[in-house]
Amino acid sequence: AQTVTQSQPEMSVQEAETVTLSCTYDTSENNYYLFWYKQPPSRQMILVIRQEAYKQQNATENRFSVNFQKAAKSFSLKISDSQLGDTAMYFCAFMKLHLNAGGTSYGKLTFGQGTILTVHP
Amino acid sequence: ETGVTQSPTHLIKTRGQQVTLRCSSQSGHNTVSWYQQALGQGPQFIFQYYREEENGRGNFPPRFSGLQFPNYSSELNVNALELDDSALYLCASSPDLGPYLEAFFGQGTRLTVV
Repeated sequence: AQTVTQSQPEMSVQEAETVTLSCTYDTSENNYYLFWYKQPPSRQMILVIRQEAYKQQNATENRFSVNFQKAAKSFSLKISDSQLGDTAMYFCAFMKLHLNAGGTSYGKLTFGQGTILTVHP
Repeated sequence: ETGVTQSPTHLIKTRGQQVTLRCSSQSGHNTVSWYQQALGQGPQFIFQYYREEENGRGNFPPRFSGLQFPNYSSELNVNALELDDSALYLCASSPDLGPYLEAFFGQGTRLTVV
C-alpha cells in the first residue's frame, strides 16, 4: 500500500517571502501522479499543482512549483511571494491506477496528514 | 468554484441511525469518488463510482454504500452510524475514468454523530 508523509504539521511565513512544504511517499510503482491540494477554512479542496511521475521536468504554476525527486520519493511544494490568501491546510496526495475485481481500473487519491500554512502580514 | 455541490453542509445524527449525503457533479463527469476526512487528518478514500457502478472501494465496511444517477448526482449512505463516523465527507468528480488528472471537490458535508 502507498503511504504519503508530511512531516511538518504547521508552517508559517511572512507575506511576500518563500516557503517550502515537504512531502515524501512510499511506493513500488513506476507510473503514478502526485498532487498538492489546498484546503482553506471554506473546506473545499482545491488543486494547486500536479506532477506526472514519468516527467522529469518539475511542474510550475505561477507562484507554485515543485521539486520532484523520484529516486528519493520526495515531492516538495515551493510557494514564492506568499500571499495572505495562501493561508490554508496543504495536502500532498499520490494517485495510481488500481484494478477492481472485474478487471477494470480506477484511480484513488492517497493523502498525507496535511500541513497548516499561515501567512503573516 | 469547482462546480461540485454537496448537501447538506452540516448534519447531526444519533448513533445507530442512517444518513444519506448528496453530491451533484459537474456535467459530463462520469466518475465520482467519496472521501472521509476526520478532524485534523487527510481524506481517506471510501469508494468510486463510474457510470452508476461501484468501480473501486477503500477499507470501509459494507454499511457505507453509494449510488450514482444518470443526471450526475450521487449519494453516500451510511447505516448504523457510529461515533467514529463523525467527519467531513467529500465528494470529488472527474471527467475521465482511470488516470484522471484532476478531481474536482465539493465543499463537503460535516457529519456529527452523537
